[in-house]
Amino acid sequence: KAGVTQTPRYLIKTRGQQVTLSCSPISGHRSVSWYQQTPGQGLQFLFEYFSETQRNKGNFPGRFSGRQFSNSRSEMNVSTLELGDSALYLCASSFQGGPSYEQYFGPGTRLTVT
Amino acid sequence: AQSVTQLDSQVPVFEEAPVELRCNYSSSVSVYLFWYVQYPNQGLQLLLKYLSGSTLVKGINGFEAEFNKSQTSFHLRKPSVHISDTAEYFCAVTEIQGAQKLVFGQGTRLTINP
Repeated sequence: KAGVTQTPRYLIKTRGQQVTLSCSPISGHRSVSWYQQTPGQGLQFLFEYFSETQRNKGNFPGRFSGRQFSNSRSEMNVSTLELGDSALYLCASSFQGGPSYEQYFGPGTRLTVT
Repeated sequence: AQSVTQLDSQVPVFEEAPVELRCNYSSSVSVYLFWYVQYPNQGLQLLLKYLSGSTLVKGINGFEAEFNKSQTSFHLRKPSVHISDTAEYFCAVTEIQGAQKLVFGQGTRLTINP
């Protein structure tokens, strides 16, 4: 079974631009979560989607948004990019979406904002 | 709210030596506990998890961890490490009754020297 895939793997953007990252979960998984990883703040939860609905959201500004499609694929969007948005963005999928279910992580998209 | 403290940011050990990576957590509610490993340029891989039952949990690659509720700790151990264990290790918790949202520690970089 194919793992979680994220595209693109690397991205360079300029301050003020917007960016869209994509995540394809493992087949059959309905929950997709997004995390931001930076050297300073570590791994932080962004949001979780289940059956096309955002169920949970972390403490990030409204510039960070996401959505999930009927095939469970998810996208996250960051508008008006800031230098501090440079990070590794990780997507994770799980079968049902619940605390006891294992989350499978993708390789991440490394975003650099210049 | 939960918080996770990994007591060592870096741990150097010699190959075939034992290792312990320490993790303490704080939470006002019951939590599940996890250890993840991240190899360079990759996403996170689950090593083991504690949901309930025996406090000694065995995971992949010869790792094990012990849950100590009174000390709110979940230390990771391996009796004999290999060069291939060089990676960053993350301890994480999530509320049992809450959302599927992992709260991570800052990570411990394990370096194995020959």
